[in-house]
This record gives sequence, structure tokens and C-alpha cells, in this order.
Amino acid sequence: GAVVSQHPSRVICKSGTSVKIECRSLDFQATTMFWYRQFPKQSLMLMATSNEGSKATYEQGVEKDKFLINHASLTLSTLTVTSAHPEDSSFYICSARLGGELFFGEGSRLTVL
Amino acid sequence: AQKVTQAQTEISVVEKEDVTLDCVYETRDTTYYLFWYKQPPSGELVFLIRRNSFDEQNEISGRYSWNFQKSTSSFNFTITASQVVDSAVYFCALRDNQGGKLIFGQGTELSVKP
Repeated sequence: GAVVSQHPSRVICKSGTSVKIECRSLDFQATTMFWYRQFPKQSLMLMATSNEGSKATYEQGVEKDKFLINHASLTLSTLTVTSAHPEDSSFYICSARLGGELFFGEGSRLTVL
Repeated sequence: AQKVTQAQTEISVVEKEDVTLDCVYETRDTTYYLFWYKQPPSGELVFLIRRNSFDEQNEISGRYSWNFQKSTSSFNFTITASQVVDSAVYFCALRDNQGGKLIFGQGTELSVKP
């Protein structure tokens, strides 16, 4: 089956630093990937749609300068949280599209101290 | 606008009880897809089922069953003879026919006690 892997699974950083999260499709090519954010006890909210070779499409209310998305290859999309603050602490999960199906990564838990 | 509502925030049952998780959706699309995912405490999303808007047949998979009713825009999920391992947060989600992005409901946290 199609596998999507995220790295790191957990990251702790100091306030003001930047953190990069990778999302890889291991056995298929994905022109489109999606980034979601989930706060504790809440639902998954779509942050942006990542398109290989072009700019990401951000959902309303998501700061594109703070959450930098790069989809440089057909198997890798990265999300960089710049100048992270404690309120950015969350569970970030990506999904990759293969045909009509979506496959999710394991998620990355970010804690900003 | 598309929307998914899971009115039950938390449900607690005792092992072996049957439990139904409700899901109501809103969409103007004629072609769409509905999903259920399980999210255990570890956080990963486990795919359970996908149903397209043209297939209203109910589905059964082991102890799991789903009831899709277009007339009431509902896609309910029933677990028969619940087990402790069923304890998790369950999400219902809606996807349109073009973009591929999923709109999730608020989730229902199911707790199955021994």
C-alpha cells in the first residue's frame, strides 16, 4: 500500500526558533500534499495545499510567511514553522494524494517552550 | 460551504455494548465522498471507510457497520460488541470531487470501559 512518512515525529524547540517538518511519500509520487494542524482535543484543520513545483495554497487565516511550505519534489513536502511561539504547539499531519485516495503520515508533535 | 458535524463529543460505553457515532454533513456538490477515520492516542489516522455519494448501500466490515442516508445527509457508524481497543477519537470527513482536501468533523471520543 501507499506509505507516507513524517519526520520528526516529535520535536521540542525554544520560542523564536524555526522548525522544519518533512512529509515523504515513500512508494509513490504525489503532486499534491496537504498539511493539517490539530490542537489538543480538537479536529484536524487544513492549513494548506502543497503542489509540486508551484506555490502552496493556504487556507484563510493561515499565515503563509509563518508556515512556509516547499514541495520541491514529487515525494517530499516540507513545512517550516518560522519564529515558533508556544501557541504554535500542535500536532501537524500531512497527507498525500494518489489518484483519488489520500494517505496520511504519522503526524509530528511540536512543542514550543 | 461544506461542513461536517459530529454532535457527540464524548461517548462512554461498557465493553460488549453496541455504540453508534453520528455524522451529518452539508455540501452543494452532487458528487462527493465520505470517510471515517480512527485516531488512537498515538495520533496517527487510521482509515476505516470511504463511500461515494452515489452508493447508498450500507456496509458491514466485521464489528463495524455504516449507514449512509442521503435524505438526511447522514453517515453514521456503528460498532457492535465494542472492545477496549476501540477506544479512540473517530472522525467523519467529507471530500469534494475536485480538490481532494478533506473537511473533518469535530470528532467523537469513544471510551470503552472493561
